[in-house]
Amino acid sequence: AAGVIQSPRHLIKEKRETATLKCYPIPRHDTVYWYQQGPGQDPQFLISFYEKMQSDKGSIPDRFSAQQFSDYHSELNMSSLELGDSALYFCASSFGTGAILGNTIYFGEGSWLTVV
Amino acid sequence: AQTVTQSQPEMSVQEAETVTLSCTYDTSESDYYLFWYKQPPSRQMILVIRQEAYKQQNATENRFSVNFQKAAKSFSLKISDSQLGDAAMYFCAYRSASNAGKSTFGDGTTLTVKP
Repeated sequence: AAGVIQSPRHLIKEKRETATLKCYPIPRHDTVYWYQQGPGQDPQFLISFYEKMQSDKGSIPDRFSAQQFSDYHSELNMSSLELGDSALYFCASSFGTGAILGNTIYFGEGSWLTVV
Repeated sequence: AQTVTQSQPEMSVQEAETVTLSCTYDTSESDYYLFWYKQPPSRQMILVIRQEAYKQQNATENRFSVNFQKAAKSFSLKISDSQLGDAAMYFCAYRSASNAGKSTFGDGTTLTVKP
């Protein structure tokens, strides 16, 4: 079965640079979530989109932005990168939001961002 | 705000035996969903089991089952007949049914399976 696809899998950037992560949800899923997992940390919710509109916002820094496109894929843009942004970034998708049947979210394999 | 607490940073179990991972949560909501995710060394997040708060019956998926105590806000995971492949970090997650559905995760429990 098709899963959530994230690219790139690994990314190395220098401080103050910009990075873009892409997420392709499971076919027919209309909701996308972004999580950040630092070393030894649990995943922290950043932001979510439902039907191309931002549906919820968590601890996403102002330097980060994201959007969901017409084909439901999403991109997370990170600017003025800091060393502390080094983490595993997960994208997840579901059909409908939590308000609809509490649909399970499925995670991609994550994108490793290293800021040097 | 909801919080999820996993009080056991590390657990170990002998192969073929049973282990229970603890999870408690705090919420003022009555309708929500609870999940256990497994994160192996590859760091992938794999859904293990889910529980709807409105259901009294405990969820079961093969060797995995939960003990859901809504009044006590407890959601433990029992792994029976443990296998070497069960070794991983396990995260308990809470998801509200009333908002956009972001999940709140516990700090995780690292499970070691001894042969």
